[in-house]
Amino acid sequence: NAGVTQTPKFQVLKTGQSMTLQCAQDMNHEYMSWYRQDPGMGLRLIHYSVGAGITDQGEVPNGYNVSRSTTEDFPLRLLSAAPSQTSVYFCASSRRGQPQHFGDGTRLSIL
Amino acid sequence: AQSVTQLDSQVPVFEEAPVELRCNYSSSVSVYLFWYVQYPNQGLQLLLKYLSGSTLVESINGFEAEFNKSQTSFHLRKPSVHISDTAEYFCAVSERASGGSYIPTFGRGTSLIVHP
Repeated sequence: NAGVTQTPKFQVLKTGQSMTLQCAQDMNHEYMSWYRQDPGMGLRLIHYSVGAGITDQGEVPNGYNVSRSTTEDFPLRLLSAAPSQTSVYFCASSRRGQPQHFGDGTRLSIL
Repeated sequence: AQSVTQLDSQVPVFEEAPVELRCNYSSSVSVYLFWYVQYPNQGLQLLLKYLSGSTLVESINGFEAEFNKSQTSFHLRKPSVHISDTAEYFCAVSERASGGSYIPTFGRGTSLIVHP
């Protein structure tokens, strides 16, 4: 049982590049979320999904795109990377109202 | 919409001393409450949760938290801390509302620093 798997663990991008952060869970959870963690800011919700085919925006969605074609996968796309998107990104999954299970994070630097 | 306030960004304490990490929330409906712990360079792990029932909840490593509805608080306590408890602690709340997203909102975190 792998839980929530995030890839890559580290990534360096140049401004303007695009990339996709991968997230997969094997617990058949209907809820999945993406957060970014910045010093002193806690975790801020970027996008979330309550089931396959359903996504919605969180607190800080600008510059990011998501899709949920399967229950297991919830990729996060950076459309045109900016230095302000340098952060640690966490993916989480859960059943409704239950505690979230987090991945180990992706540390992203934008130069 | 719900919100969470963790009143202390950093709490230094000596080993074997008691500690309290404070968390207040704001919501117009019933809530679920959580505490998560994050060790350096790791993801978040659930420490304890309040979903319903007893307002005092405990973790396996000696932490406890009490849901106080009138004060809208969910403070985390431990009677005697260890060096290994040094970590970042996050309080989170999700609203228990029909049609709601149930996605939790997190506080900004409290850094617990245990000194020998």
